[in-house]
Amino acid sequence: DGGITQSPKYLFRKEGQNVTLSCEQNLNHDAMYWYRQDPGQGLRLIYYSQIVNDFQKGDIAEGYSVSREKKESFPLTVTSAQKNPTAFYLCASMGLAYQETQYFGPGTRLLVL
Amino acid sequence: LAKTTQPISMDSYEGQEVNITCSHNNIATNDYITWYQQFPSQGPRFIIQGYKTKVTNEVASLFIPADRKSSTLSLPRVSLSDTAVYYCLVGSGYNNNDMRFGAGTRLTVKP
Repeated sequence: DGGITQSPKYLFRKEGQNVTLSCEQNLNHDAMYWYRQDPGQGLRLIYYSQIVNDFQKGDIAEGYSVSREKKESFPLTVTSAQKNPTAFYLCASMGLAYQETQYFGPGTRLLVL
Repeated sequence: LAKTTQPISMDSYEGQEVNITCSHNNIATNDYITWYQQFPSQGPRFIIQGYKTKVTNEVASLFIPADRKSSTLSLPRVSLSDTAVYYCLVGSGYNNNDMRFGAGTRLTVKP
């Protein structure tokens, strides 16, 4: 069953703590993305990666870090430097042929204790 | 990267046709246009995609004029379940693979 998965569904962070959100895809897609969505707002791009071991900052990368050691995986770490991390985080993947579309995971909701 | 502009919200009634227009004045030659639908607490899902003229699938139609500076998503005979946020995305899968979403259009379908 092909798709993109995110875990956990809900995540609680204590102040000063780093937390990592998982994103895995078995669609053999080259590109992967992380977006943040605040209540009632659109999606904002955090980081994206087109190939393994390479990634680019999006519009709101400060306070976040990523890695792309495997094609299937693109974990996002929310660091203690991110002072307002409460949001809905969405991961997506996409092939790099022309006119491809993005496939999104179910999302992770991060809450601060 | 082409920036998009959409209405923030729209209201409609069940059974009506809904047209949502997206402006993308700086669209590049290789860019194509993709529309996504998002329900609360879910990831967006693909609706339709096109490059020029008209594209139709089982759920929607996409109209793109010759200058490609705008596009219109048409939803025929909407139902309550079509209440969602609709995003217009413009980009190329080649050299500009940093897909950025606009604010989207919040469609509310009333009974």
